[in-house]
Amino acid sequence: SQQGEEDPQALSIQEGENATMNCSYKTSINNLQWYRQNSGRGLVHLILIRSNEREKHSGRLRVTLDTSKKSSSLLITASRAADTASYFCATDAYGANSKLTFGKGITLSVRP
Amino acid sequence: GAGVSQSPSNKVTEKGKDVELRCDPISGHTALYWYRQSLGQGLEFLIYFQGNSAPDKSGLPSDRFSAERTGGSVSTLTIQRTQQEDSAVYLCASSFQSSLANTIYFGEGSWLTVV
Repeated sequence: SQQGEEDPQALSIQEGENATMNCSYKTSINNLQWYRQNSGRGLVHLILIRSNEREKHSGRLRVTLDTSKKSSSLLITASRAADTASYFCATDAYGANSKLTFGKGITLSVRP
Repeated sequence: GAGVSQSPSNKVTEKGKDVELRCDPISGHTALYWYRQSLGQGLEFLIYFQGNSAPDKSGLPSDRFSAERTGGSVSTLTIQRTQQEDSAVYLCASSFQSSLANTIYFGEGSWLTVV
């Protein structure tokens, strides 16, 4: 079963607006990551946040983590048409040698 | 190579035939994953290899699916007696396993179509 669940399932915004995507998970984690996928091909790693971190930034990306609520959010500021893609959160459950489990993803469409 | 390499990129096969999908992970990566993604869906975990440990096969959907990793490097995912519901993108990923950061790097996937 899926560990991470993203919402909304689909998001459509205008270029220049901010996009906020959420992820909830069920069990304790080592870290949480966000990945991006274009056109159903390979996923590309965007950002990783560890369980002892609350917020992290990378360029136009901002990720927050609330371990008490078992949730994370990914904010993309000043969105561009090129940000159109599917976004997945992935969790690394607590414990050594654990595997990454992905959510079902969010489809983001940025209208030019 | 510089990244995770998968072959073939695309495969069309007849129902009932066996197929083999190959993954070359990034050199030095000890962890290797196989995921399956149906059209418009999320990633379904299939199998995970980590070093010399026994693989985690908990995601394999049936006994028609098997995978091996020879010499701790190249992996082959085999699907026997393919069915139409096996049609999907099969994604391989690898990582340098760490208890602190488990960023994984994906290949471009193998598109499998069973007709």
